[in-house]
Amino acid sequence: DQQVKQNSPSLSVQEGRISILNCDYTNSMFDYFLWYKKYPAEGPTFLISISSIKDKNEDGRFTVFLNKSAKHLSLHIVPSQPGDSAVYFCAPILMYSGGGADGLTFGKGTHLIIQP
Amino acid sequence: EAQVTQNPRYLITVTGKKLTVTCSQNMNHEYMSWYRQDPGLGLRQIYYSMNVEVTDKGDVPEGYKVSRKEKRNFPLILESPSPNQTSLYFCASSPPSGGTDTQYFGPGTRLTVL
Repeated sequence: DQQVKQNSPSLSVQEGRISILNCDYTNSMFDYFLWYKKYPAEGPTFLISISSIKDKNEDGRFTVFLNKSAKHLSLHIVPSQPGDSAVYFCAPILMYSGGGADGLTFGKGTHLIIQP
Repeated sequence: EAQVTQNPRYLITVTGKKLTVTCSQNMNHEYMSWYRQDPGLGLRQIYYSMNVEVTDKGDVPEGYKVSRKEKRNFPLILESPSPNQTSLYFCASSPPSGGTDTQYFGPGTRLTVL
């Protein structure tokens, strides 16, 4: 049973518009939510995160929104740029009480395509 | 430069021939892990290690072994590779706080088992 779902395998957005990538999860105990970006033939790179005690975190063109009651988070990219074309993974994380964390549980990813 | 290195980057082997993929990080991170990425399945964790001599199974550990004798190295061992282990493998490391600290990923190892 998947704990993390990214239901859109791909998303096409026009350059300059807003890209919205969605992620749903089942475990209400997750403490942090991370987004990773991956280009072909490269390892994933960390993009932005949000703590479960917040509902919004903004970093430049990237904003992540968290709706805990709906167990849903979304990544907004505005304005979208050609270099944003990549696969985006949502990864909730569960922290241990003494610090540290288990491995990341990744969604299947959404392939974002920015069209000129 | 802080980095996670993996070797080899590409490997083709035959069923049953033992192989090891090395992973090394120079950031003195306690936590290291291995993932495999398959089309339509995203990234799945194979094994992880909280520190030296401490390893645990992830979501898909069958057919794999790991060891953590030193902090910087976390090799992935396939004792008897099978074609269903053909995949793209990523090693990652992070400091113990996890959470908003990033996991640093290696460049990936593309393994083909014939």
